[in-house]
Amino acid sequence: DQQVKQNSPSLSVQEGRISILNCDYTNSMFDYFLWYKKYPAEGPTFLISISSIKDKNEDGRFTVFLNKSAKHLSLHIVPSQPGDSAVYFCAAGDKTSYDKVIFGPGTSLSVIP
Amino acid sequence: EPEVTQTPSHQVTQMGQEVILRCVPISNHLYFYWYRQILGQKVEFLVSFYNNEISEKSEIFDDQFSVERPDGSNFTLKIRSTKLEDSAMYFCASSVSESSYEQYFGPGTRLTVT
Repeated sequence: DQQVKQNSPSLSVQEGRISILNCDYTNSMFDYFLWYKKYPAEGPTFLISISSIKDKNEDGRFTVFLNKSAKHLSLHIVPSQPGDSAVYFCAAGDKTSYDKVIFGPGTSLSVIP
Repeated sequence: EPEVTQTPSHQVTQMGQEVILRCVPISNHLYFYWYRQILGQKVEFLVSFYNNEISEKSEIFDDQFSVERPDGSNFTLKIRSTKLEDSAMYFCASSVSESSYEQYFGPGTRLTVT
């Protein structure tokens, strides 16, 4: 049951460049999406979210884009910094069940100085 | 800054034993959650809890699991008879309201069942 997919297990990017992390979902009932960042030995940390009524949400260096017709979202980090090196989880939920957030498998981002 | 705390950070137990994982959510939060992450796999939802009762649970959360909020601050996950496959990181999370997309996670408890 892979309702939320992150097909790239890892990504390496040069410091200062753009990092693009991708996420696909299958459940058309999902109406909100989140990105979490996780460092080793820590819990996930909320980064940014987007509701299905929007196609873009921006917060500082982080921008999430949503393409509902393609059931695809992406997280852009510009410019990438070494401290951004972490595992990034895409997650999704629907308003009929706020509680149950489904996580993707994660993408490990390495930002090379 | 308020944060979710979890104890212990690492718990080792023998198969068949009962374990209790403890969490202190952020004080003004009303919704509480448990997730687990088996090594190398994704974070999986276990259960959500509101107003002293379970509001949603996953198929993983079977009869060997239970949750409780024994006082005004702690939120516990009990695994009655642990199995080897229960070995995982267990994360507690809390959110301020039902409509809050943002859940705050604790640092996790690593459970090792031998």
